[in-house]
Amino acid sequence: NAGVTQTPKFQVLKTGQSMTLQCAQDMNHNSMYWYRQDPGMGLRLIYYSASEGTTDKGEVPNGYNVSRLNKREFSLRLESAAPSQTSVYFCASSGDRSWRSPLHFGNGTRLTVT
Amino acid sequence: GESVGLHLPTLSVQEGDNSIINCAYSNSASDYFIWYKQESGKGPQFIIDIRSNMDKRQGQRVTVLLNKTVKHLSLQIAATQPGDSAVYFCAETHLGGSNYKLTFGKGTLLTVNP
Repeated sequence: NAGVTQTPKFQVLKTGQSMTLQCAQDMNHNSMYWYRQDPGMGLRLIYYSASEGTTDKGEVPNGYNVSRLNKREFSLRLESAAPSQTSVYFCASSGDRSWRSPLHFGNGTRLTVT
Repeated sequence: GESVGLHLPTLSVQEGDNSIINCAYSNSASDYFIWYKQESGKGPQFIIDIRSNMDKRQGQRVTVLLNKTVKHLSLQIAATQPGDSAVYFCAETHLGGSNYKLTFGKGTLLTVNP
C-alpha cells in the first residue's frame, strides 16, 4: 500500500521556469491538499480539494495553480517560479472534508528556485 | 513548547526514559487536535488525535493530554527509543471565519540518546 506518492522528489528550477508537481493517493480518499514547509514557518496550506471536481485556495495560493485530475490525483503547478517558492512541498489526503480526521502525507518534493 | 523562531525547541532524552512534548494553542474554539511525527527527509506521520470532549487519549506507547482551561496539549512517549528521534508537531482545528482551519505548530525536535 503506497499511500500518497509524490513526484519528483527533488527539483531545481531557474526563475521564470514552470513545472508541475504530481501527487497520487491509493486510499480512496475524497480530500487532497498541497502544503509547503519552510524553516520556522510550519506547514502552510496552498490549495485543497475537498472532493473530486472542487478546489479551493488555502493560506498561501499566490503563484500556484492546482488540478484535481480525478479522485486519485491532485497536481500543483508553478507557472513562473520565483526564489520565494523554494520550499519543501507536501501533498496529503484525508478520508473526509471535516478537517477533523488525520491527513496522510507524501514524502515531499524539495524544490529549489535559483 | 513550540516557538516562532527559526530554531526549533529541542528535547534530549536518554533511551528508555519517558518524553513529554508540549504544545500551546490560542483559540478557545479549537475542537480537534492531532500530533504528527516527522523524520528527516520524510513527510509528517500521524501519531494520535483527540477531540475537545476528551482530556486524555492513549495509543501504543503514546498518550495525549488536553487541558482546555490553559489551552495546552502534550504528547507523552513512554520508554523512548532511538527510532523516536524526529520533529514532533501539533495541529488544531477551529472555525476561522466561515471555514474550518487546520493550523500546524512549528515543532519540537526530540533527540534520543542511546
